[in-house]
Amino acid sequence: GQQVMQIPQYQHVQEGEDFTTYCNSSTTLSNIQWYKQRPGGHPVFLIQLVKSGEVKKQKRLTFQFGEAKKNSSLHITATQTTDVGTYFCAGIGLVTDKLIFGTGTRLQVFP
Amino acid sequence: NAGVTQTPKFRILKIGQSMTLQCTQDMNHNYMYWYRQDPGMGLKLIYYSVGAGITDKGEVPNGYNVSRSTTEDFPLRLELAAPSQTSVYFCASSPFSGPQDGYTFGSGTRLTVV
Repeated sequence: GQQVMQIPQYQHVQEGEDFTTYCNSSTTLSNIQWYKQRPGGHPVFLIQLVKSGEVKKQKRLTFQFGEAKKNSSLHITATQTTDVGTYFCAGIGLVTDKLIFGTGTRLQVFP
Repeated sequence: NAGVTQTPKFRILKIGQSMTLQCTQDMNHNYMYWYRQDPGMGLKLIYYSVGAGITDKGEVPNGYNVSRSTTEDFPLRLELAAPSQTSVYFCASSPFSGPQDGYTFGSGTRLTVV
């Protein structure tokens, strides 16, 4: 079945440093979504990417969808303590209407 | 507009007991989902529904049952609770057009089976 992996599993950064998490799917995706989950909280929808090679920005966050629509990345510029949490990618395959979540990357930011 | 509401927030069950996790959404979303999240792990789909009267299995349906009699409600039933069902359960919904518009999650139910 479809699997979505993320690396790294954990990342600790100093406040102000950049952070990137990578998402890889075993199958081609029709689209990919990104969610953020604060410690003890629930996932919150951030963004969706649909087109091959698509790049979207939300303030300090940059999201990219790979040309082959099998991978994606989230880059945070100049991290802040408010960025702490787990970032999940989630993809919908070409022949399914179910969203499969990645394994997540937990970000810790030290002041 | 409350979004997705889950009750209870916390529950401790003894092995073999049963319970129903409640989920209600007030956004008139057709699609609803149940996920479980084990400590430090990702989300696994248990069951989902594309509309009232229609449900289907996800990745990990064993030990659970669902029903969808109305658009608003999507309860999850645990029969004969086992320690392996200790987890945080999230209910989510998405609009009529499907999951591509992003999910709205409830705040979760933290279940411990002892």
